[in-house]
Amino acid sequence: SQTIHQWPATLVQPVGSPLSLECTVEGTSNPNLYWYRQAAGRGLQLLFYSVGIGQISSEVPQNLSASRPQDRQFILSSKKLLLSDSGFYLCAWSGISTDTQYFGPGTRLTVL
Amino acid sequence: KNEVEQSPQNLTAQEGEFITINCSYSVGISALHWLQQHPGGGIVSLFMLSSGKKKHGRLIATINIQEKHSSLHITASHPRDSAVYICAVKGNQFYFGTGTSLTVIP
Repeated sequence: SQTIHQWPATLVQPVGSPLSLECTVEGTSNPNLYWYRQAAGRGLQLLFYSVGIGQISSEVPQNLSASRPQDRQFILSSKKLLLSDSGFYLCAWSGISTDTQYFGPGTRLTVL
Repeated sequence: KNEVEQSPQNLTAQEGEFITINCSYSVGISALHWLQQHPGGGIVSLFMLSSGKKKHGRLIATINIQEKHSSLHITASHPRDSAVYICAVKGNQFYFGTGTSLTVIP
């Protein structure tokens, strides 16, 4: 069966510090991968999606970047965090021929 | 204006009540999803619909493509149904509603 992992579960970082959030998927090959952010009191916002290694599409201009160094690994990064980067970050995967997405447990990021 | 609008934003029900959550969208879509977000933040996909109706246990989801509207129904609600229910549509990208926060009181 397929599983998706995210870490860390919670993170408190100072403004201006770097960020690296990791997401890995097990039990499937060549998944589509997604990074979402959910700010407090707001809906999910798609940040990045990837259809393959090294292929990243950005949905919104922002302070963040994403990379996919391996087929089942998706990394969300920032060189310098802003207060507005606080939120709940969710990674998700889907199969090539399906729209159903499966979400990871999420990382709650607080930037102080 | 958001591409996906949900109502109500908040809902409190007594255990056993029949619950309806509504979703309207303004874009052309290939599929609509209902998601459940638990208090800890984890999200579970409940349904994916492109037409008609689907049922899973006490949950029923319907979609009317012409009216661009979907409903999620919960029969015989239970406190464990307490969660945020999110409607999402797949057009040229994914659009998400802001969610309906449901609290079921014993």
